Amino acid sequence: TQLLEQSPQFLSIQEGENLTVYCNSSSVFSSLQWYRQEPGEGPVLLVTVVTGGEVKKLKRLTFQFGDARKDSSLHITAAQTGDTGLYLCAGANSGGSNYKLTFGKGTLLTVNP
Amino acid sequence: ETGVTQTPRHLVMGMTNKKSLKCEQHLGHNAMYWYKQSAKKPLELMFVYSLEERVENNSVPSRFSPECPNSSHLFLHLHTLQPEDSALYLCASSQEGLAKNIQYFGAGTRLSVL
Repeated sequence: TQLLEQSPQFLSIQEGENLTVYCNSSSVFSSLQWYRQEPGEGPVLLVTVVTGGEVKKLKRLTFQFGDARKDSSLHITAAQTGDTGLYLCAGANSGGSNYKLTFGKGTLLTVNP
Repeated sequence: ETGVTQTPRHLVMGMTNKKSLKCEQHLGHNAMYWYKQSAKKPLELMFVYSLEERVENNSVPSRFSPECPNSSHLFLHLHTLQPEDSALYLCASSQEGLAKNIQYFGAGTRLSVL
């Protein structure tokens, strides 16, 4: 069974601070996706990383896929209150059926004004 | 707007009621999914339909019954639910065959079973 561990589980910071959240596994994934889920809404895709060592930037958000494709990190620079939400990582299987995603439990981020 | 619409957004039902959740996708995708999201747990995959055929039933109790009449619509029929079934039920769609398997989610139905 593939598992994704996300840390920290909860994070509360002030506006303007930087933060990093992590997504770790002992399994290899063919790709990894990051979603943000706001209260009362479904998860919305932020980015997909595919290649080991890949770094993608989305404005103030920087995503990195580990060299071995087992882990990933999300770094937010100068956090804003609009960044508040549940950040989920999800790994796509490297073999077998290509419709399954393995989700982590998420990191609940609160950015205070 | 993700292109996946779920109704109703909120539902309160008793344990003896029968209700249905509806999902519609406007993205031209060929795969649709039902997930259950409970507090402090990862998203749990319940059912997967690909090209209108069910390809995954993740040991879900029979009180949950999915239906996929066409590639754009997905239903989850509920009957004789238990209080522990209270959760956010999310529908998603994707274009199967793409290795990245990017899934697009609806806003969910918040279900409370009394």
